[in-house]
Amino acid sequence: NAGVMQNPRHLVRRRGQEARLRCSPMKGHSHVYWYRQLPEEGLKFMVYLQKENIIDESGMPKERFSAEFPKEGPSILRIQQVVRGDSAAYFCASTSTYEQFFGPGTRLTVL
Amino acid sequence: EDKVVQSPLSLVVHEGDTVTLNCSYEVTNFRSLLWYKQEKKAPTFLFMLTSSGIEKKSGRLSSILDKKELFSILNITATQTGDSAIYLCAVELPGTYKYIFGTGTRLKVLA
Repeated sequence: NAGVMQNPRHLVRRRGQEARLRCSPMKGHSHVYWYRQLPEEGLKFMVYLQKENIIDESGMPKERFSAEFPKEGPSILRIQQVVRGDSAAYFCASTSTYEQFFGPGTRLTVL
Repeated sequence: EDKVVQSPLSLVVHEGDTVTLNCSYEVTNFRSLLWYKQEKKAPTFLFMLTSSGIEKKSGRLSSILDKKELFSILNITATQTGDSAIYLCAVELPGTYKYIFGTGTRLKVLA
C-alpha cells in the first residue's frame, strides 16, 4: 500500500510564475489536507478537501491560492504569481479517520 | 484565538536521559489532541488523545492529556540518537476538520 505521494519534491519558481503542487493520497483515502510549514514554525492548516468538494479553505489566502481534488487524479495546490514569501514546505496529508498520513512535502523556493 | 503552544522550543540531551515535552492549548471543547514526530521529512503519527488521565504508551514513548488544565505531555525514556526530531502537537478544533499545530519542540539526543 503506497503511502501519500507528493510531487515535485523540490520546485523553484521566479516571482510572478505559477506553482502547481500535486498530492496523491493513500489508496482508499478520499480526504486530503494541505499544510504550509515555514522554517522554524509548525504546520499551518490551509485547506481540507474531499473528492470534488472543498470542505474548509479558511486557512488559505484568498488571493493567488487555490486547491482542488478532482474525481480522478491527484489533489492540486495552485499558487499563481508567486512571491518570495510563498517559499516554504507544503505538506499534504490524507486521512480516512482521525489519523493523518503525511506526504514527504514539496519544498517551494521562489527566487 | 485558538492557540497551541509547545515547550521547550528545543532541547539537547544525552542518550539514556528521559525527556518530557509539553503542549498547552487554548481551545475549548476540542475533539482530539495528536502528537507527531517529524524528522527530515513528513510528520509521522505517534498518539491521539481524547480523554483526560488515560496514558497512551508505545515502547519508550508515552503521552497523557489533562483536559482540565489544558495540556498534554509526551515522555520519552532512555532516549536514543534516533529520537532526534521535531515533535509536533496538534489540536482538532471542535465542529471542524481543522487542526491547529504547535511550533514543535526540536529534540537533539547526543551519543
